[in-house]
Amino acid sequence: EVHLVESGGGVLRPGGSLRLSCAASGFTFDDYGMTWVRQAPGKGLEWVSGINWNGEITRYADSVKGRFTISRDNAKNSLYLQMNSLRAEDTALYHCVRVWDTAAVGPLDYWGQGTLVTVSS
Amino acid sequence: EIVLTQSPGTLSLSSGERATLSCRASQSVSRYLAWYQQKPGQVPRLLIYGASSRATGITDRFSGSGSGTDFTLTISRLEPEDSAVYYCHQYSSSPPWTFGHGTKVEIK
Repeated sequence: EVHLVESGGGVLRPGGSLRLSCAASGFTFDDYGMTWVRQAPGKGLEWVSGINWNGEITRYADSVKGRFTISRDNAKNSLYLQMNSLRAEDTALYHCVRVWDTAAVGPLDYWGQGTLVTVSS
Repeated sequence: EIVLTQSPGTLSLSSGERATLSCRASQSVSRYLAWYQQKPGQVPRLLIYGASSRATGITDRFSGSGSGTDFTLTISRLEPEDSAVYYCHQYSSSPPWTFGHGTKVEIK
């Protein structure tokens, strides 16, 4: 069974940094692209970033470009999101999501429960 | 950025009725369109990909159609457990890969 478990969320001040992690199990991790999708409290879904199966291709939403960095360690079956220069509008539940493809983009077939990031002064 | 506009915002129907949800893209996404169902307190679940293909384990009461800029998710014979927010998602060639704002389906 596929499991995606996020960690690393927390409460921090604007301008701060945080590193989210996602531990994957139940599938061959390096057969799939991965993404981060966030959902602000009571709001809809926002695609944040994607990475292909070997980490060579990464893509970002304009709202996070230059501030966030996605990466993966296939040996550890793990996905990461380094978040710098955080803003209040980055406050959201961050989901680690599997792409149903080797690419950085495609249908999103398995979702983690998410880790909450709160940015507040 | 491709904007996805979903309508209606809320759909209130009775059990057994048919629900028709619309998703319109600001430019063509070919058939790179997926639909997700999100129930309160749960993560989204993939229903449809490639505009019309059902994901694994999804009942045939859910069907998708369309291409280019106009897409439809149809739920035939609504059941109480279909009460949820439904999102469309485009994953065409260039990022950002966007979601619609969602349609809330309520069962009367």
